[in-house]
Amino acid sequence: NAGVMQNPRHLVRRRGQEARLRCSPMKGHSHVYWYRQLPEEGLKFMVYLQKENIIDESGMPKERFSAEFPKEGPSILRIQQVVRGDSAAYFCASSPTVAEAFFGQGTRLTVV
Amino acid sequence: EDKVVQSPLSLVVHEGDTVTLNCSYEVTNFRSLLWYKQEKKAPTFLFMLTSSGIEKKSGRLSSILDKKELFSILNITATQTGDSAVYLCAVLSGSARQLTFGSGTQLTVLP
Repeated sequence: NAGVMQNPRHLVRRRGQEARLRCSPMKGHSHVYWYRQLPEEGLKFMVYLQKENIIDESGMPKERFSAEFPKEGPSILRIQQVVRGDSAAYFCASSPTVAEAFFGQGTRLTVV
Repeated sequence: EDKVVQSPLSLVVHEGDTVTLNCSYEVTNFRSLLWYKQEKKAPTFLFMLTSSGIEKKSGRLSSILDKKELFSILNITATQTGDSAVYLCAVLSGSARQLTFGSGTQLTVLP
């Protein structure tokens, strides 16, 4: 079992471009969570998805951010028209139950 | 709004010292509290605590929860340089399937 796989590990985007972050959960896990970690801050919940469904997106900014977890393929966190404030580490976690969430290595997004 | 506060924010000790990290919380419908260790990579799970007064141990690490006073502590004895990391506390509450994290304690263990 390869664990939670995120790619890319590092992503640099210019202001106004789109960023796509991918997360492949652990085998057998159908729950995926995205968290954002800003410098000097803890992890902030963004969205919780199950296959083809968004269960809780209460932590997701209302504009420019979207997430999906299709029937086939990885979960995608999409940020449109990125701004400097979007620079952060984005972590994906998967679990059979949220209490045992296993985290990926994260994607470090830098907006220049 | 659920709130998790960790202290101290940072801590510098020497190898062999014992440290105590604190986590207090204010949440609606508490379910469990979790501790994670984060080095320069993904947070790794340490403990999950659900009941008061029951100590969880793993090697030199131990943790306990007080649901009356709404806090937990993480102890590390005989610290090693490899213990240097950010230690994150998170709370699962209510019917939400999300974890609320504290801002972490940055522990540095000097040789």
